[in-house]
Amino acid sequence: GAVVSQHPSWVICKSGTSVKIECRSLDFQATTMFWYRQFPKQSLMLMATSNEGSKATYEQGVEKDKFLINHASLTLSTLTVTSAHPEDSSFYICSAVRRADQPQHFGDGTRLSIL
Amino acid sequence: GENVEQHPSTLSVQEGDSAVIKCTYSDSASNYFPWYKQELGKRPQLIIDIRSNVGEKKDQRIAVTLNKTAKHFSLHITETQPEDSAVYFCAATNNNDMRFGAGTRLTVKP
Repeated sequence: GAVVSQHPSWVICKSGTSVKIECRSLDFQATTMFWYRQFPKQSLMLMATSNEGSKATYEQGVEKDKFLINHASLTLSTLTVTSAHPEDSSFYICSAVRRADQPQHFGDGTRLSIL
Repeated sequence: GENVEQHPSTLSVQEGDSAVIKCTYSDSASNYFPWYKQELGKRPQLIIDIRSNVGEKKDQRIAVTLNKTAKHFSLHITETQPEDSAVYFCAATNNNDMRFGAGTRLTVKP
C-alpha cells in the first residue's frame, strides 16, 4: 500500500496562533508532497508543491510567509499556518507521490478552525 | 498551465443505473489521468486511472475512457449502488503538477 498520515486531524485555536500540520508517508519515500486547501463543497486547490531538500513552489496567490512549508526528509513535510486568522479556517489536505508519474496518495486532512 | 473542467457538478441516479462523468483538459502534454472518490470529511481515494497510451481501462463496475485528440476523458460507473454516493474528482498531470476538476457530487437513490 501507500499510506499517508496527516496530523492533527482537527485544530481549534485563537486568532493569531500559529498552527503546524504534519504529513508523513509511512511506507514509501515521497519525492514530492503537495498541500491542498478545500473549501466546503469545492474542489482541491493546490497551495504548494514540496520537494525534499528544496524550497516549496507556491501557487499564485498563496502567501509564502503565511503558509510555511518544510520538507525535511523523504517522508515528512510540514505546513505551518502563521498568525492564523478566521479566514484561514479550512480543510487542509496533503498528498505524496513516489514519482511524478504515479498517483498521489492523500492524508486524511486537517480541519482548521480559527476563532 | 493545465486547466481541467468537469461536468456535471451534480448527478443523481437510481440504484442500478449507470453514471457518467466527463472531464476536459487543456494541456496536450498531460499523460496521466486519475479519478478520485471523496466521501464527506474524508480523504480523496484513487479509484481508477489511465495513461495517455491507453484509450480505455476497466475495473469491475468502473471504467475510464480517454480521447487524446479531443482532450477529454470520462468515468463510467455501471450498476450503481448507494455506497457509490460521493464526490468524484478527475485530474490531469504532465508529471509537473496535477490539476483537479471541480468535482461531481453523485447521489445514488435506493
